[in-house]
Amino acid sequence: DADVTQTPRNRITKTGKRIMLECSQTKGHDRMYWYRQDPGLGLRLIYYSFDVKDINKGEISDGYSVSRQAQAKFSLSLESAIPNQTALYFCATSDSLKAAYEQYFGPGTRLTVT
Amino acid sequence: QKEVEQNSGPLSVPEGAIASLNCTYSDRGSQSFFWYRQYSGKSPELIMSIYSNGDKEDGRFTAQLNKASQYVSLLIRDSQPSDSATYLCAVGSQGNLIFGKGTKLSVKP
Repeated sequence: DADVTQTPRNRITKTGKRIMLECSQTKGHDRMYWYRQDPGLGLRLIYYSFDVKDINKGEISDGYSVSRQAQAKFSLSLESAIPNQTALYFCATSDSLKAAYEQYFGPGTRLTVT
Repeated sequence: QKEVEQNSGPLSVPEGAIASLNCTYSDRGSQSFFWYRQYSGKSPELIMSIYSNGDKEDGRFTAQLNKASQYVSLLIRDSQPSDSATYLCAVGSQGNLIFGKGTKLSVKP
């Protein structure tokens, strides 16, 4: 069974719609992250959370919001989707007590905004 | 702005050869260094971590770190077609990872 799961795996939505991407983990890690990946631009950090009450903006947080519902769940929302948010989105986790920088990724969500 | 630089490739090597992937980073205070492998359309997979100067070997993979030169490398011995992927270098900095844009490796049978 996957340690880090993401739902949905694929999503096509229209400009202006609100969409939520969900991430769950069974690794028991305290830290969770959201990245997007675009061809030629690499992985870029959107938001990160070091524990349930600690949420921080990353490099490209504009147009996104997050919610850390529990230690195991971290959701990313696009309030009003736009076409340039079309990308591959990854959730990742790490354990601050063992190896804080070793991040483990979920399978990704491919989002298309038309 | 903290940066991690990699040659984008593609790097093409014949099957059985040694593939050498390189990475430089700008944050002199970084202490944690990683290599991820990413197949097309899939998520990054952690394959090596290195924290001290020198070499670290794991199977066919060897990571090399030189903090004075701010340089990290990954050697893949006896390269196989299944090693064809994009390899991402990542550096720990201020609580987060900074990723390079990746080097695409192609191993030709």
